[in-house]
Amino acid sequence: SQKIEQNSEALNIQEGKTATLTCNYTNYSPAYLQWYRQDPGRGPVFLLLIRENEKEKRKERLKVTFDTTLKQSLFHITASQPADSATYLCALGGSARQLTFGSGTQLTVLP
Amino acid sequence: EAGVTQFPSHSVIEKGQTVTLRCDPISGHDNLYWYRRVMGKEIKFLLHFVKESKQDESGMPNNRFLAERTGGTYSTLKVQPAELEDSGVYFCASSHSRGNGYTFGSGTRLTVV
Repeated sequence: SQKIEQNSEALNIQEGKTATLTCNYTNYSPAYLQWYRQDPGRGPVFLLLIRENEKEKRKERLKVTFDTTLKQSLFHITASQPADSATYLCALGGSARQLTFGSGTQLTVLP
Repeated sequence: EAGVTQFPSHSVIEKGQTVTLRCDPISGHDNLYWYRRVMGKEIKFLLHFVKESKQDESGMPNNRFLAERTGGTYSTLKVQPAELEDSGVYFCASSHSRGNGYTFGSGTRLTVV
Protein backbone atom coordinates (compact mmCIF):
# COMPACT_ATOMS: atom_id res chain seq x y z
CA SER A 1 0.00 0.00 0.00
CA GLN A 2 1.05 3.62 -0.45
CA LYS A 3 3.03 5.00 2.44
CA ILE A 4 4.35 8.49 3.19
CA GLU A 5 6.78 9.13 6.01
CA GLN A 6 7.80 12.53 7.28
CA ASN A 7 10.90 12.77 9.44
CA SER A 8 10.49 12.89 13.18
CA GLU A 9 7.21 14.05 14.54
CA ALA A 10 8.91 17.12 16.04
CA LEU A 11 11.90 19.21 15.02
CA ASN A 12 13.42 22.00 17.10
CA ILE A 13 15.91 24.46 15.64
CA GLN A 14 17.46 27.76 16.61
CA GLU A 15 16.27 30.99 15.04
CA GLY A 16 18.30 31.94 11.99
CA LYS A 17 19.22 28.36 11.11
CA THR A 18 17.93 26.38 8.15
CA ALA A 19 15.18 23.87 8.86
CA THR A 20 15.14 20.76 6.68
CA LEU A 21 12.09 18.53 6.62
CA THR A 22 11.97 15.19 4.85
CA CYS A 23 9.16 13.40 3.06
CA ASN A 24 9.73 9.82 1.88
CA TYR A 25 7.22 7.70 0.05
CA THR A 26 6.84 4.11 -1.11
CA ASN A 27 4.59 2.22 -3.51
CA TYR A 28 3.63 5.44 -5.25
CA SER A 29 4.58 7.34 -8.40
CA PRO A 30 3.22 10.83 -7.82
CA ALA A 31 2.85 13.32 -10.63
CA TYR A 32 3.44 16.15 -8.16
CA LEU A 33 4.11 16.84 -4.53
CA GLN A 34 2.81 19.67 -2.39
CA TRP A 35 3.86 21.13 0.94
CA TYR A 36 1.40 22.69 3.35
CA ARG A 37 1.68 24.52 6.63
CA GLN A 38 -0.89 23.92 9.36
CA ASP A 39 -1.35 25.93 12.53
CA PRO A 40 -3.41 24.66 15.50
CA GLY A 41 -7.15 24.86 14.87
CA ARG A 42 -6.67 25.89 11.25
CA GLY A 43 -6.76 24.14 7.91
CA PRO A 44 -3.61 23.41 5.89
CA VAL A 45 -2.21 26.36 3.95
CA PHE A 46 -0.64 25.67 0.56
CA LEU A 47 3.05 26.60 0.28
CA LEU A 48 4.67 25.00 -2.76
CA LEU A 49 4.02 22.47 -5.51
CA ILE A 50 6.73 20.60 -7.37
CA ARG A 51 6.11 18.33 -10.33
CA GLU A 52 7.79 15.01 -11.10
CA ASN A 53 9.91 16.53 -13.86
CA GLU A 54 11.19 19.35 -11.63
CA LYS A 55 14.18 19.02 -9.35
CA GLU A 56 13.82 22.15 -7.26
CA LYS A 57 11.36 24.97 -6.53
CA ARG A 58 11.92 28.14 -4.55
CA LYS A 59 9.66 30.73 -3.01
CA GLU A 60 11.18 33.43 -0.84
CA ARG A 61 12.85 31.59 2.09
CA LEU A 62 11.38 28.23 1.07
CA LYS A 63 12.98 25.60 -1.12
CA VAL A 64 11.66 22.20 -2.14
CA THR A 65 13.52 19.40 -3.89
CA PHE A 66 12.01 16.31 -5.44
CA ASP A 67 13.99 13.15 -6.19
CA THR A 68 11.79 10.54 -7.86
CA THR A 69 14.63 8.01 -7.84
CA LEU A 70 15.09 8.24 -4.09
CA LYS A 71 11.31 8.78 -3.68
CA GLN A 72 12.03 11.72 -1.45
CA SER A 73 11.29 15.42 -1.11
CA LEU A 74 13.21 17.84 1.08
CA PHE A 75 11.65 21.07 2.33
CA HIS A 76 13.98 23.82 3.51
CA ILE A 77 13.23 27.01 5.40
CA THR A 78 16.24 29.32 5.45
CA ALA A 79 16.82 32.02 8.05
CA SER A 80 14.09 30.47 10.17
CA GLN A 81 11.99 32.63 12.48
CA PRO A 82 9.80 31.79 15.48
CA ALA A 83 6.79 32.65 13.26
CA ASP A 84 7.72 29.64 11.10
CA SER A 85 6.77 27.34 13.98
CA ALA A 86 3.93 25.12 12.75
CA THR A 87 3.20 21.63 11.46
CA TYR A 88 4.34 21.04 7.90
CA LEU A 89 2.56 18.49 5.76
CA CYS A 90 3.75 16.72 2.66
CA ALA A 91 1.06 15.64 0.18
CA LEU A 92 1.35 13.59 -2.99
CA GLY A 93 -0.93 13.79 -5.99
CA GLY A 94 -1.37 11.86 -9.19
CA SER A 95 -3.69 11.65 -12.18
CA ALA A 96 -6.61 11.57 -9.80
CA ARG A 97 -6.74 14.92 -8.10
CA GLN A 98 -6.97 13.61 -4.57
CA LEU A 99 -4.02 14.22 -2.28
CA THR A 100 -2.36 11.65 -0.03
CA PHE A 101 -1.00 13.34 3.09
CA GLY A 102 1.84 12.47 5.40
CA SER A 103 1.37 12.75 9.14
CA GLY A 104 3.33 16.00 9.34
CA THR A 105 6.38 17.34 11.13
CA GLN A 106 5.92 19.82 13.97
CA LEU A 107 8.60 22.49 13.64
CA THR A 108 9.53 24.75 16.56
CA VAL A 109 11.92 27.62 15.94
CA LEU A 110 13.48 28.72 19.21
CA PRO A 111 14.33 32.42 19.70
CA GLU B 1 -10.97 37.02 -2.24
CA ALA B 2 -12.86 35.23 0.49
CA GLY B 3 -11.44 31.90 1.55
CA VAL B 4 -13.12 28.54 1.95
CA THR B 5 -15.76 28.74 4.66
CA GLN B 6 -16.94 25.81 6.71
CA PHE B 7 -19.87 25.67 9.09
CA PRO B 8 -20.19 24.81 11.90
CA SER B 9 -16.70 25.05 13.34
CA HIS B 10 -17.59 22.56 16.07
CA SER B 11 -20.38 20.04 16.49
CA VAL B 12 -21.07 17.63 19.32
CA ILE B 13 -23.79 15.08 18.68
CA GLU B 14 -24.94 11.83 20.17
CA LYS B 15 -24.41 8.51 18.50
CA GLY B 16 -27.28 7.79 16.13
CA GLN B 17 -28.03 11.44 15.39
CA THR B 18 -27.62 13.21 12.07
CA VAL B 19 -25.19 16.02 11.35
CA THR B 20 -24.78 18.12 8.23
CA LEU B 21 -21.56 19.97 7.51
CA ARG B 22 -21.44 22.80 5.03
CA CYS B 23 -18.65 24.12 2.85
CA ASP B 24 -18.60 27.29 0.76
CA PRO B 25 -15.68 27.14 -1.65
CA ILE B 26 -13.89 30.06 -3.25
CA SER B 27 -16.12 31.53 -5.94
CA GLY B 28 -15.19 30.19 -9.36
CA HIS B 29 -13.41 27.11 -8.06
CA ASP B 30 -14.82 24.12 -9.94
CA ASN B 31 -13.06 21.55 -7.77
CA LEU B 32 -14.27 20.90 -4.25
CA TYR B 33 -12.86 18.26 -1.95
CA TRP B 34 -13.73 16.81 1.43
CA TYR B 35 -11.01 15.41 3.68
CA ARG B 36 -11.05 14.09 7.22
CA ARG B 37 -8.54 13.77 10.02
CA VAL B 38 -9.35 11.38 12.81
CA MET B 39 -7.39 11.50 16.08
CA GLY B 40 -3.74 10.63 15.60
CA LYS B 41 -4.07 9.86 11.91
CA GLU B 42 -3.20 11.56 8.65
CA ILE B 43 -5.61 13.73 6.71
CA LYS B 44 -7.53 11.36 4.45
CA PHE B 45 -9.39 12.03 1.22
CA LEU B 46 -13.16 11.51 1.20
CA LEU B 47 -14.44 12.77 -2.13
CA HIS B 48 -14.02 15.22 -5.00
CA PHE B 49 -16.60 17.26 -6.88
CA VAL B 50 -16.10 18.93 -10.22
CA LYS B 51 -18.83 21.51 -10.32
CA GLU B 52 -21.95 19.60 -9.24
CA SER B 53 -20.72 16.14 -10.26
CA LYS B 54 -18.98 13.63 -8.01
CA GLN B 55 -15.66 12.94 -9.70
CA ASP B 56 -14.26 10.56 -7.11
CA GLU B 57 -15.91 9.29 -3.95
CA SER B 58 -13.53 6.42 -3.30
CA GLY B 59 -12.63 7.74 0.14
CA MET B 60 -16.13 7.78 1.57
CA PRO B 61 -16.12 5.37 4.53
CA ASN B 62 -19.59 3.90 4.05
CA ASN B 63 -23.14 4.72 3.00
CA ARG B 64 -23.81 6.67 6.19
CA PHE B 65 -21.99 9.54 4.51
CA LEU B 66 -23.75 11.55 1.81
CA ALA B 67 -22.23 14.53 0.02
CA GLU B 68 -23.96 16.93 -2.29
CA ARG B 69 -22.98 20.05 -4.17
CA THR B 70 -25.97 22.06 -5.18
CA GLY B 71 -25.61 23.86 -8.50
CA GLY B 72 -21.86 23.55 -8.33
CA THR B 73 -21.62 26.06 -5.51
CA TYR B 74 -21.64 25.12 -1.82
CA SER B 75 -21.41 21.53 -0.64
CA THR B 76 -22.89 19.61 2.26
CA LEU B 77 -21.67 16.43 3.91
CA LYS B 78 -24.31 14.56 5.90
CA VAL B 79 -23.54 11.80 8.35
CA GLN B 80 -26.59 9.70 9.22
CA PRO B 81 -26.61 8.00 11.65
CA ALA B 82 -23.38 9.15 13.28
CA GLU B 83 -21.13 6.62 14.98
CA LEU B 84 -18.36 7.17 17.53
CA GLU B 85 -15.64 6.50 14.94
CA ASP B 86 -16.90 9.39 12.82
CA SER B 87 -15.36 11.85 15.27
CA GLY B 88 -12.61 13.96 13.77
CA VAL B 89 -11.94 17.15 11.88
CA TYR B 90 -13.59 17.45 8.48
CA PHE B 91 -11.84 19.73 6.03
CA CYS B 92 -13.16 21.14 2.81
CA ALA B 93 -10.83 22.42 0.10
CA SER B 94 -11.31 23.98 -3.31
CA SER B 95 -9.15 24.65 -6.32
CA HIS B 96 -9.46 26.21 -9.73
CA SER B 97 -9.50 23.79 -12.63
CA ARG B 98 -5.93 24.76 -13.35
CA GLY B 99 -5.03 25.64 -9.79
CA ASN B 100 -1.62 25.30 -8.29
CA GLY B 101 -2.64 24.24 -4.83
CA TYR B 102 -5.70 23.69 -2.75
CA THR B 103 -7.28 26.23 -0.43
CA PHE B 104 -8.54 24.58 2.71
CA GLY B 105 -11.16 25.75 5.14
CA SER B 106 -10.53 25.78 8.88
CA GLY B 107 -12.45 22.55 9.29
CA THR B 108 -15.40 21.30 11.31
CA ARG B 109 -14.51 19.44 14.49
CA LEU B 110 -17.12 16.70 14.90
CA THR B 111 -17.43 14.88 18.19
CA VAL B 112 -19.81 11.94 18.45
CA VAL B 113 -20.58 10.93 22.04
